[in-house]
Amino acid sequence: GAVVSQHPSWVICKSGTSVKIECRSLDFQATTMFWYRQFPKQSLMLMATSNEGSKATYEQGVEKDKFLINHASLTLSTLTVTSAHPEDSSFYICSARVEGAYNEQFFGPGTRLTVL
Amino acid sequence: SQQGEEDPQALSIQEGENATMNCSYKTSINNLQWYRQNSGRGLVHLILIRSNEREKHSGRLRVTLDTSKKSSSLLITASRAADTASYFCATDAGGNKLVFGAGTILRVKS
Repeated sequence: GAVVSQHPSWVICKSGTSVKIECRSLDFQATTMFWYRQFPKQSLMLMATSNEGSKATYEQGVEKDKFLINHASLTLSTLTVTSAHPEDSSFYICSARVEGAYNEQFFGPGTRLTVL
Repeated sequence: SQQGEEDPQALSIQEGENATMNCSYKTSINNLQWYRQNSGRGLVHLILIRSNEREKHSGRLRVTLDTSKKSSSLLITASRAADTASYFCATDAGGNKLVFGAGTILRVKS
């Protein structure tokens, strides 16, 4: 149980285009999902908290107009990187929190974004 | 910003040896969790230890927590080549957020 999927697993796009990444909780409902960014050989940095039915909460320094988050259902959150630039190239990982379980989070397999 | 620091940054051992990784944090926590990440993959949850617990075991894993020193350790006994991965601690200080440490890259040589 507690499986989280991400799609796509990797994407290459041209500078200036927008890319949407999906995060799904497959066998449980998640009112709260999280989006992280990870640069090579570094740790995960929380970008934003995605709340079902309400606006996402962004961490300091993360542009909400650049990284659009939509959490339209209890099993799906999407991250859209708008007008992507090469510096947005990174590994994006989502997680979903299991309610009432000491904030244990289950992570998706990640999406490798490369912006040319 | 990350609140956790881990040491060592990298650890290379022979198969069969034990591996110990340490994590320090800065603020009070509700719990601390350890995760494993294989190269280019997502994170796998290993173990969670609550702030009122001092030690926890799961298979070949042993985690300790010292809240007075704001530190935790992860011990992997009888390591295997398949344990090669990055290991991260993550602290839950409330507010639903996890703050990750810098991670330890473990390489187990067969």
